This record gives sequence, C-alpha cells and structure tokens, in this order.
Amino acid sequence: RKEVEQDPGPFNVPEGATVAFNCTYSNSASQSFFWYRQDCRKEPKLLMSVYSSGNEDGRFTAQLNRASQYISLLIRDSKLSDSATYLCVGVKTSYDKVIFGPGTSLSVIP
Amino acid sequence: GAVVSQHPSRVICKSGTSVKIECRSLDFQATTMFWYRQFPKQSLMLMATSNEGSKATYEQGVEKDKFLINHASLTLSTLTVTSAHPEDSSFYICSARDRERVNTGELFFGEGSRLTVL
Repeated sequence: RKEVEQDPGPFNVPEGATVAFNCTYSNSASQSFFWYRQDCRKEPKLLMSVYSSGNEDGRFTAQLNRASQYISLLIRDSKLSDSATYLCVGVKTSYDKVIFGPGTSLSVIP
Repeated sequence: GAVVSQHPSRVICKSGTSVKIECRSLDFQATTMFWYRQFPKQSLMLMATSNEGSKATYEQGVEKDKFLINHASLTLSTLTVTSAHPEDSSFYICSARDRERVNTGELFFGEGSRLTVL
C-alpha cells in the first residue's frame, strides 16, 4: 500500500463552487500534516498545515481524522486561480523523510 | 525568509555527459535537504534525503552511483546526474528544512531544474 493516496482527479468545477479533497495515509505514526499546491511546471508551495482541531484560512479549511487516517481540504467559493494540483503529506517526526501523495488536479472553469 | 535557490533552472545536455544541480538555502540553515524528481503529469518522487556532513540516503530504485548527492554545508546540496541519458530527462526539485523551524516539519522548495538529455 502506498504511504499516501489521493484521488488524482481531475476535478473540474465551476467558479464559485465548493470542492473537497481527501487524502489517506498509511503510517499511523504520522504526526504532522500539510497541504501543498503545485502549479504546472512549478515547485510545490505550502498551502496549509493541518492541525488536529482543524484549521481554516480564508476560503480553505483543512481537517484531520486520525481514527480513519485521512486529511481533507475544503475550498469554498472556488476561483480560477485555484486551478492547480494539490498535494498532501504526512510526516512521522520533524526529521522524517517527506513522501508526497500523487496529487489531486483541480480545474476551476468560468 | 526561507528562500531556497536552485540552479540551473533549465539545462540541455548531450547523452553521456554529467550535469550538476545546486540547491542553496539563502537565509537559513538547512538540517536536511530532499531531492525529488517529477516526470510530466506524475507525482513528486523522492530520490534521496541528504543531511549535512553525512552520506545521502537513497530511495529504493534510485542508483546512488548515477545520482551523486553532496551536502557539504548547511546551506548547499548538489545533485550530479552522471552519464545522463534521455530517460533521465525530468524536473528535479530540491527542498530543505529550516534548522530553526524543524519542529514545524515544513519544507521549502527550490524552483526546480528542468533537465533535457538529447
């Protein structure tokens, strides 16, 4: 089983829609979780850290479910500029290697 | 802050030559640097983990004699693709952990290097 699994999509949604992605991880010892965003032919950039209590940053909400070993990302009021690939990652410790999920492709269409 | 500079951004070389890619943390000291490779429309694949002053740890299936990694200081790691072949053409990305923010687990990425081997 892969360490991190995501639905690759693509998710094609109209502007203004709400879209949610899930990411499952296999290492129950993972402690820190992140969502990264990668634009085409660019390097990934950190979007959000994911906390156990869940966290929100503007239109983005991240949740962690340790019992089911998944993290989620919710994007409200989608913008065209949200079109990108979203990558999730979980690490066991701050010193652990970082394995990325395959990414979920999002296209927001006018 | 937390800027990682990767150079060159693009390189085209002939088959059989070696190519060196540099990854520098400009305003922080990196305890660990990671090297990834990404083929078109595929995910980031971790190649190796590099700690300053020690040998790199390679992922399964990555040839350490072909992809030479040197991490001579807390701000510089290099990846050398030796005897490059067309199948090595890819997007290579480095990332680093900030020594002062290691507990966050956050990674800072270089801009990536696009290698094309003719």
